[in-house]
Amino acid sequence: SQQGEEDPQALSIQEGENATMNCSYKTSINNLQWYRQNSGRGLVHLILIRSNEREKHSGRLRVTLDTSKKSSSLLITASRAADTASYFCATDLPNDYKLSFGAGTTVTVRA
Amino acid sequence: DTEVTQTPKHLVMGMTNKKSLKCEQHMGHRAMYWYKQKAKKPPELMFVYSYEKLSINESVPSRFSPECPNSSLLNLHLHALQPEDSALYLCASSQDYYEQYFGPGTRLTVT
Repeated sequence: SQQGEEDPQALSIQEGENATMNCSYKTSINNLQWYRQNSGRGLVHLILIRSNEREKHSGRLRVTLDTSKKSSSLLITASRAADTASYFCATDLPNDYKLSFGAGTTVTVRA
Repeated sequence: DTEVTQTPKHLVMGMTNKKSLKCEQHMGHRAMYWYKQKAKKPPELMFVYSYEKLSINESVPSRFSPECPNSSLLNLHLHALQPEDSALYLCASSQDYYEQYFGPGTRLTVT
């Protein structure tokens, strides 16, 4: 079942700009992850943030987690054409090994 | 080797055919997954294998039959599929059951 909802559904930005997308979920989670999917390809794991963490960085990516609001955000700084993809958040519940994916945000970076 | 491979990349089959999808990983991961993904939708979990044993079946129709011959291989046997089964089929593996490594997928078309 789909626990996460993402917004916006689609985002178009100029190269060099920042892109921010949000994920909200319904029940308490164990971890929250972000994945990227280029058109018609497999998903690539970007970052995992645990429920007791508030912020995490990886290269040009910054993820925040607010468990009181049951939400997370993914910020991509200084975007490049290669960042054009769909981005999915995925949550897992305590003692449950299944990932529940959000609907995804489609990001288009214009040259 | 941090790669998950899937064959074939594309498959077209009739509703009376029998075919198989294959997935391989050499990372020593203990869990392997099959997902189905329709266009512009998030992946939907189908099956999870843990230590080569089926641990989760998400009420998938019996025309899909998974098999895990060894710790590196995962197959999905297809028989009497319907046109609505056309989708991208993704395989993934994981060591910790959270961070998942995805293959590039098999694009299946049922005619």
